[in-house]
Amino acid sequence: GENVEQHPSTLSVQEGDSAVIKCTYSDSASNYFPWYKQELGKRPQLIIDIRSNVGEKKDQRIAVTLNKTAKHFSLHITETQPEDSAVYFCAASISGGYNKLIFGAGTRLAVHP
Amino acid sequence: NAGVTQTPKFRVLKTGQSMTLLCAQDMNHEYMYWYRQDPGMGLRLIHYSVGEGTTAKGEVPDGYNVSRLKKQNFLLGLESAAPSQTSVYFCASSLPSFGRRYNEQFFGPGTRLTVL
Repeated sequence: GENVEQHPSTLSVQEGDSAVIKCTYSDSASNYFPWYKQELGKRPQLIIDIRSNVGEKKDQRIAVTLNKTAKHFSLHITETQPEDSAVYFCAASISGGYNKLIFGAGTRLAVHP
Repeated sequence: NAGVTQTPKFRVLKTGQSMTLLCAQDMNHEYMYWYRQDPGMGLRLIHYSVGEGTTAKGEVPDGYNVSRLKKQNFLLGLESAAPSQTSVYFCASSLPSFGRRYNEQFFGPGTRLTVL
C-alpha cells in the first residue's frame, strides 16, 4: 500500500541554525505534498504545501523542495527560533482524490536558545 | 467562526463500553475526516465523508463506525471499546477537490481517549 517515510524522527538544533526534514513516498500518482506543524497538545496546522508541477516553494524562513523522479520531498527551516520547536509531519496525497492524505510518522524538532 | 470543533476533549472508557465522538465545522466544507494519532505513527485515516449522507473507509476502519447526517457534523462511534483504541482522535474538514487540485485539511483540537 501507500507509504510515507520521514527522517529524522528527532532533530535538535541551536537557535539560528537550519533544520532539514526529509520524506519519501511510494505512490507515483501522489501530486500534493503538505507539511503540518503540531505544537505540544495542539492541533496540526498547515505551514506549507507543494504540488507536483513545482520543484520548490518558499515562504519566509521555510521552504519545501520536491523531486518527483526520486519520490522525495524535504522541508527546510532557516534561522530557526525556539518557537519553531514542534512536531512536523509530511504528507502525500493518495490516488483516488477526495483530498485524502497519508502522513509520515513525524519529526520532533527542538530549537535550543 | 469556530472552525472545526470536537467534543469531548478527554474521555476514559472501560473495555467494552461504547461512545460517540462529535466533530462539527462551520466552514461549509464538503469533506470531513477522522484520524487517530499514536506515538511514532503519525496520523492514520479511519473514515472519511465526501458529503452529507456519505461515508467511506480509510486506512484503519476496524472497530469504528461513522455517520454524516448533517453536512456540518461527522460522528465517530466505538461500539465496544478496546485498549488498542487508546489514542488521540482528530477530525478534519476541507473543501472538495477538483481533478488534481487538492485543498487544505483543517483540523479540530483533538479528543484524548483512554480505554482501560
